[in-house]
This record gives sequence, C-alpha cells and structure tokens, in this order.
Amino acid sequence: EAQVTQNPRYLITVTGKKLTVTCSQNMNHEYMSWYRQDPGLGLRQIYYSMNVEVTDKGDVPEGYKVSRKEKRNFPLILESPSPNQTSLYFCASSPPGGFYETQYFGPGTRLLVL
Amino acid sequence: GNSVTQMEGPVTLSEEAFLTINCTYTATGYPSLFWYVQYPGEGLQLLLKATKADDKGSNKGFEATYRKETTSFHLEKGSVQVSDSAVYFCALINTGFQKLVFGTGTRLLVSP
Repeated sequence: EAQVTQNPRYLITVTGKKLTVTCSQNMNHEYMSWYRQDPGLGLRQIYYSMNVEVTDKGDVPEGYKVSRKEKRNFPLILESPSPNQTSLYFCASSPPGGFYETQYFGPGTRLLVL
Repeated sequence: GNSVTQMEGPVTLSEEAFLTINCTYTATGYPSLFWYVQYPGEGLQLLLKATKADDKGSNKGFEATYRKETTSFHLEKGSVQVSDSAVYFCALINTGFQKLVFGTGTRLLVSP
C-alpha cells in the first residue's frame, strides 16, 4: 500500500530535550516536505526536499533541522524543543512534477513540549 | 505574496443540505488550486484540483471551479452526508515556488 508513515504519532517532551520525528514514504517520491498545523493558521511549511541531499527552508524553519540521506526518509529534528513548537506536524511527499502534483500526507504527529 | 482566504467555520448543516465553502486567493501569475480534506485523526487527502482558469475539479460529489476573474475557488456539494464531516483546506501553488500555501481550514459538521 502506497503510504507516508510518521513516528511517533504522539509525543510529550520537555523543553530542551532533543527529539526526532521520522517520516518515510514507499512511493519512490523525490519531493518531500514538513508542515506544522496550528489553529487559525492552517498548515505552514517548515522544510522541503527536492531530492537526496537537497533541502531548503520553508516559511517557518527556525528551531528545526532536516536531513535527506535516503530517498524514502525525511526526518524532522528538534535540537532544543520549546513550548512554541507544540503543534501537529505533517510530512508529505509528491511524485515527479514536484509540489504541483498531488501531495500525499502522513497521519500526523502531535507534539506537546512542556 | 501568495495567500489563501477561506470562510470561517464551523459550517453546520443537516444531511442532504447544499454546501458552499468560499475560498479566494491572492497570487501573481497562474497558480494551481487545490482542495484538501482532513478527516478526524487523519492526515490531509487531496479532494480535487484545478490547474488553469475555468477548469472545474470534481470528486466524490464535490466541485470547484477556478475563477480567475474573481480569484476564487469555492467548494460546493449538492447534498452533504454525515460522512463529509471534516476540515476542508483550500490551497494554491504558484510557479517557481516549492510549497503549497494553505488557507486556515473550514470545519464542516453534518448532522443526521
């Protein structure tokens, strides 16, 4: 089954404790992206990647890092989480044609930073 | 810049009622327009899209027409069902940009 998976689905952590949210897709997509969803703000792009070892900032990259060492994986790293990073996070991937094509979203990771 | 404005929710309807969710956009050039749907506890799924002016996207009884003259992409359905209860996001992507720009989402609640 074609899908985007994220782990963990739910996470409670404390300020400053490094964490990684994993994202994996099995569709051989080149384009991948991370979004955060906040009430009243919709979804905002954090980082995106157009291929292996090619990443770039989105609209709200502060406090986040990403890497793309393999085509299928695109982890999101919070080196020192803060309470303002409490949010719902989505990973997405797109087939050739990039983000103009349909984006396939993962189920989301709900993060609470205390 | 590029932006999307959606009507505030929640929209509350009875089953079989007619649905309209308004969406307008600001963008230079010729963006592609999308409606995504988010069911409770799930990620977003593409509902429909339109890539040029006067195109009509349709899926599962939902429709939206790309109106360049009014910069709008309103979502409509003739008869909603309880299973249509979800959050609906209007979005655009513009040439040269590597991201979807989303509206804030509109929650639809359909009661039996």
